[in-house]
Amino acid sequence: KAGVTQTPRYLIKTRGQQVTLSCSPISGHRSVSWYQQTPGQGLQFLFEYFSETQRNKGNFPGRFSGRQFSNSRSEMNVSTLELGDSALYLCASRVDQDTEAFFGQGTRLTVV
Amino acid sequence: DAKTTQPPSMDCAEGRAANLPCNHSTISGNEYVYWYRQIHSQGPQYIIHGLKNNETNEMASLIITEDRKSSTLILPHATLRDTAVYYCIVRGKTSYDKVIFGPGTSLSVIP
Repeated sequence: KAGVTQTPRYLIKTRGQQVTLSCSPISGHRSVSWYQQTPGQGLQFLFEYFSETQRNKGNFPGRFSGRQFSNSRSEMNVSTLELGDSALYLCASRVDQDTEAFFGQGTRLTVV
Repeated sequence: DAKTTQPPSMDCAEGRAANLPCNHSTISGNEYVYWYRQIHSQGPQYIIHGLKNNETNEMASLIITEDRKSSTLILPHATLRDTAVYYCIVRGKTSYDKVIFGPGTSLSVIP
């Protein structure tokens, strides 16, 4: 059974650009959540989607957005990139609301 | 702010049991205790979770105190591959419940 797949694994962008990251959950999982991990702030929750609806959102500016498709795949978008957006972005999927989450390997974003 | 507090680091001799404590004094009745670990540069890995009873699986045991204000993750025979950052999280069952990670405990297993 394939795990959570995140693409791309590595990305370099310039300040002011926008970026879209993709997450394919484990087959049958309906919930997808996103996290940002930096050395200074640790793992921070961005948002969670369940059956195409955003159920929860962390304390991030509106430049960070996401969506979930009918096949449960999810994308997150960051517009007007800043140097401080450089981070490891992690996606996790769950079968349902009350089950454990499985994480992907992450996308390493570097903003220059 | 994280709902849990953990020691920043711990050492454990290879082959011995590693006991990782976690305080969650403000846990509410419908919140579960989850444990994850993260090996350098990889995504976090689920270990175990529980509500109020002790739990055991092939990786670890979770001991939750009767008042549910603290818990201990036990790795019965630590190996070098168990060196990682261990996160203790409390969360409700639904997607409406936020997940807040603290800084975790950096466990070093020493040969």
